[in-house]
Amino acid sequence: DIVMTQGALPNPVPSGESVSITCRSSKSLLYSDGKTYLNWYLQRPGQSPQLLIYWMSTRASGVSDRFSGSGSGTDFTLKISGVEAEDVGVYYCQQGLEFPYTFGAGTKLELK
Amino acid sequence: EVQLQQSGAELVRPGTSVKLSCKVSGDTIIAYYMHFVKQRPGQGLEWIGRIDPEDDSTKYAKKFKNKATLTADTSSNTAYLKLSSLTSEDTATYFCTTLGQRDYWGQGVMVTVSS
Repeated sequence: DIVMTQGALPNPVPSGESVSITCRSSKSLLYSDGKTYLNWYLQRPGQSPQLLIYWMSTRASGVSDRFSGSGSGTDFTLKISGVEAEDVGVYYCQQGLEFPYTFGAGTKLELK
Repeated sequence: EVQLQQSGAELVRPGTSVKLSCKVSGDTIIAYYMHFVKQRPGQGLEWIGRIDPEDDSTKYAKKFKNKATLTADTSSNTAYLKLSSLTSEDTATYFCTTLGQRDYWGQGVMVTVSS
């Protein structure tokens, strides 16, 4: 199985600061079609997860442009430019390249 | 607007089974692969498996192969997750989701296994 490893944030983070969340996969997620099958989700407290980024860097519909995704085949970054109160929650990376799909353990964002 | 409506919370006895439902509205279920995800209290997300409602083909994570069974009923636009031989380790919230570019999630259903 592909293992997804996420980094931590130096919580709490001051409002307005920019932060980067890292994720590493144990296997390249770059497929032969040129797409990298890495998704980012945010789970706000008490809510279902919601998709932020798919194919490593494509923002999902309705997602603020403060969120951006980047990376290589195995190392990925989700950047939040100017954190706001609504960004609080747990961020998960997830690989959709092969079964079983796997999630990282999550990175918690707390606001100061 | 596509919505996924899951069935209500369950309190079940150890050793029994439970079947959870996930009804799709706003679109036809055969337009999506339906996935189920487990989240134990205070823990992260764990992919259980997915079903293609068009042909009933399924994929499971290895650890859920003898625990979970996914089915779908296209006439009612509903996907199901059956969990068998329940133990305290199965106490969790279970989400259904389309997972991916067209991303929709149910509200989650809490299953509590207790005698």
